[in-house]
Amino acid sequence: GDSVTQMEGPVTLSEEACLTINCTYTATGYPSLFWYVQYPGEGLQLLLKATKADDKGSNKGFEATYRKETTSFHLEKGSVQVSDSAVYFCALSDSSGSARQLTFGSGTQLTVLP
Amino acid sequence: DAGITQSPRHKVTETGTPVTLRCHQTENHRYMYWYRQDPGHGLRLIHYSYGVKDTDKGEVSDGYSVSRSKTEDFLLTLESATSSQTSVYFCAISEAGQGNQPQHFGDGTRLSIL
Repeated sequence: GDSVTQMEGPVTLSEEACLTINCTYTATGYPSLFWYVQYPGEGLQLLLKATKADDKGSNKGFEATYRKETTSFHLEKGSVQVSDSAVYFCALSDSSGSARQLTFGSGTQLTVLP
Repeated sequence: DAGITQSPRHKVTETGTPVTLRCHQTENHRYMYWYRQDPGHGLRLIHYSYGVKDTDKGEVSDGYSVSRSKTEDFLLTLESATSSQTSVYFCAISEAGQGNQPQHFGDGTRLSIL
């Protein structure tokens, strides 16, 4: 079945450092890929998405490129802020079935220190 | 923010008691989902619905049932709660079943079973 493997956390960075959170996937067909962010005590919010190979999703300074050849969707940001501290989830959309279920990675906790 | 309300937000109960969690949406979206979130597992799908009275099982459906009698409400029931069902439960909605459509999440229900 489909699966998502995410970089183990937690990750601690200083403000203005560069961020990369690795995400690789296994899927049949051509899934869509997503990054969600979860702030403490809240639900998940969509951060960005890509729906086909070589697409780049971007939002709030974060970006990720759908790489079919390496089955990867790594999340990057050039300069993190304290407010980026959260848990980040990589997910893919099931390419079969009627309801397009999401398969999630285990999440990566990011802490940014001032 | 998507109009999703989960109730209750917190609940503590005892093993063997029935529990019902409610998800209410104001977006008139066709698809609704129930996930559980546990450390090291990300989010895992319990059940989903693709219309009124139309539901199907997800990855971890054992011990759970759902009902959807109206477009706006999706109920998750634990008939006889067990300690292994202690978790944070999230409801999500999606406008369409296409893979490129994101899901929008509620703020979660923290359920503790003693």
